[in-house]
Amino acid sequence: DAGVTQSPTHLIKTRGQQVTLRCSPKSGHDTVSWYQQALGQGPQFIFQYYEEEERQRGNFPDRFSGHQFPNYSSELNVNALLLGDSALYLCASSLRGANEQFFGPGTRLTVL
Amino acid sequence: AQRVTQPEKLLSVFKGAPVELKCNYSYSGSPELFWYVQYSRQRLQLLLRHISRESIKGFTADLNKGETSFHLKKPFAQEEDSAMYYCALSGGSGNTPLVFGKGTRLSVIA
Repeated sequence: DAGVTQSPTHLIKTRGQQVTLRCSPKSGHDTVSWYQQALGQGPQFIFQYYEEEERQRGNFPDRFSGHQFPNYSSELNVNALLLGDSALYLCASSLRGANEQFFGPGTRLTVL
Repeated sequence: AQRVTQPEKLLSVFKGAPVELKCNYSYSGSPELFWYVQYSRQRLQLLLRHISRESIKGFTADLNKGETSFHLKKPFAQEEDSAMYYCALSGGSGNTPLVFGKGTRLSVIA
């Protein structure tokens, strides 16, 4: 089991563009959470998906949206990119009802 | 409001010296506390959680509800312990989001 995988590894975009990040959960996991980690900060919760629906959301604007597919994989979409969106985006998977989360390697997004 | 505070950005210790990474939290209720570690060029991984009350890689952490603390300790630091350490909490019921501190970089000097 490769664990949680994310793609792409790195991404460079310009202000105003849109981006899609992808995540495949650990085998057997059905819940996916997304976090944003700015430089020098701890990860911040964006939202969580279970059964293809957004179940919980952190303090992020509507420009951040997501999707979960029937195979439990997930996408994070960010519209109208701002310079401040530059960060490492982490995906974490878990089993429903469990608090232990397993993290992917992250996608480094740079907005110029 | 839920908050995790790690007061030290950087902690440097000599090999063989004791280590204590501080973590204080704010939460109205009974949270579950975690320590995550990120070694160089590796992903964030769970080190230990308070409910399991086990020692991992020689590290232990005790939840002190009176002081709202969850400090990470190891009696004798090793060079391979050098990494970024994050304290985190969740609401206690399943699948609640993790709230992280800003992290402490531990540097163990040979």
